[in-house]
Amino acid sequence: KAGVTQTPRYLIKTRGQQVTLSCSPISGHRSVSWYQQTPGQGLQFLFEYFSETQRNKGNFPGRFSGRQFSNSRSEMNVSTLELGDSALYLCASSLTGTSNSPLHFGNGTRLTVT
Amino acid sequence: DQQVKQNSPSLSVQEGRISILNCDYTNSMFDYFLWYKKYPAEGPTFLISISSIKDKNEDGRFTVFLNKSAKHLSLHIVPSQPGDSAVYFCAARITGNQFYFGTGTSLTVIP
Repeated sequence: KAGVTQTPRYLIKTRGQQVTLSCSPISGHRSVSWYQQTPGQGLQFLFEYFSETQRNKGNFPGRFSGRQFSNSRSEMNVSTLELGDSALYLCASSLTGTSNSPLHFGNGTRLTVT
Repeated sequence: DQQVKQNSPSLSVQEGRISILNCDYTNSMFDYFLWYKKYPAEGPTFLISISSIKDKNEDGRFTVFLNKSAKHLSLHIVPSQPGDSAVYFCAARITGNQFYFGTGTSLTVIP
């Protein structure tokens, strides 16, 4: 079974631009979550989608948004990029998100904002 | 506010010995706990989980212990192998599917 796929692996953007990251979950997984990893903060929860609906949201500004499609694939968008948005963005999928099913992560998208 | 803490940034262990990684949390509403291993340039890989209704779960060389009264979680790896060298994260779920992660412990297993 294929794992979680994130594209692209690396991105370099300029401050003020916007960016879209993509995530394809494991087949059959309906919950997709996004996390930001930075050296000092560890993994921080951004949001979670289930059946095309945002179910949970972390403490990030509105510049961070996402969506989920009917095939469970998800995209994350960051507008008006700031230098502090430079991070590894990780997508994770799980079976339902309500029972005790673990998160399975992709390899992430490394975003660098200059 | 760091609700899940891994107070040891690094740990070195001899091959064949036991590795014990620790994690403390502050919120008694956490109901499900996970451990992940992460290699550089890869995403975290799920290792083992435990529900808050249990105090121990084993999977091969990996055992997770949960002490709810102390709000403490630990991962035991026995015997440790050089391939276990990685960064280990603990994570705790509060509502829905939102997890809080620790900042990680870098484990080095010395051959």
